[in-house]
Amino acid sequence: EVQLVESGGGLVQPGGSLSLSCAVSGITLSDHHMDWVRQAPGKGLEWVGRSRNKARSYTTEYAASVKDRFTISRDDSNNSLYLQMNSLKTEDTAVYYCVRYDSSGKDDCWGQGTLVTVSS
Amino acid sequence: IQLTQSPSFLSASVGDRVTITCRASQGITTYLAWYQQKPGKAPNLLVYRMSTLQSGVPSRFSGSGSGTEFTLTISSLQPEDFATYYCQQLDTYPLTFGGGTKVEIK
Repeated sequence: EVQLVESGGGLVQPGGSLSLSCAVSGITLSDHHMDWVRQAPGKGLEWVGRSRNKARSYTTEYAASVKDRFTISRDDSNNSLYLQMNSLKTEDTAVYYCVRYDSSGKDDCWGQGTLVTVSS
Repeated sequence: IQLTQSPSFLSASVGDRVTITCRASQGITTYLAWYQQKPGKAPNLLVYRMSTLQSGVPSRFSGSGSGTEFTLTISSLQPEDFATYYCQQLDTYPLTFGGGTKVEIK
């Protein structure tokens, strides 16, 4: 069974930094692209970015709203995905989900999410 | 690619046939997915590649469409189907979601 468990959320001031982690089990992480998706309180879903798999050299893609501020990385040996968030803004307040992308063309496995609150 | 869902809100009764539309700002391939989300929970994948039902999803859900217009149909709405539904395109970066359709009990 695939399990994704996010951690690291919390309260941070505007301009600050925070690092989220996603512990992955039940799959070989290096085989899969992984996404981060967020949801602001009471709002819809927003794709944040992607870390491609080992075969695609772990290259990354980002939404324009977070590009140059957020960085996705991974440690396949520790079955972990990370989201480093810098220069945080109040509009980054959201629940952040770690998501597995399956090669058949679907984001099929989601974590439970971790809440990030950016406020002074 | 912008995805516009309609309606944004839908009131329906148990047993009703419900159709939700997702329009893309430009043509996309079949990399279109539909999710169901209940309050406080992560989204749950219903349909991927436009019309393929995810394992374990009831057959009353179906997806169709082409080009720029896609639909999710619930053939007979059940009490557990009252939720918010989102479409997502996985064709072109940045990946994008529709704004959501909230299905409530009439």
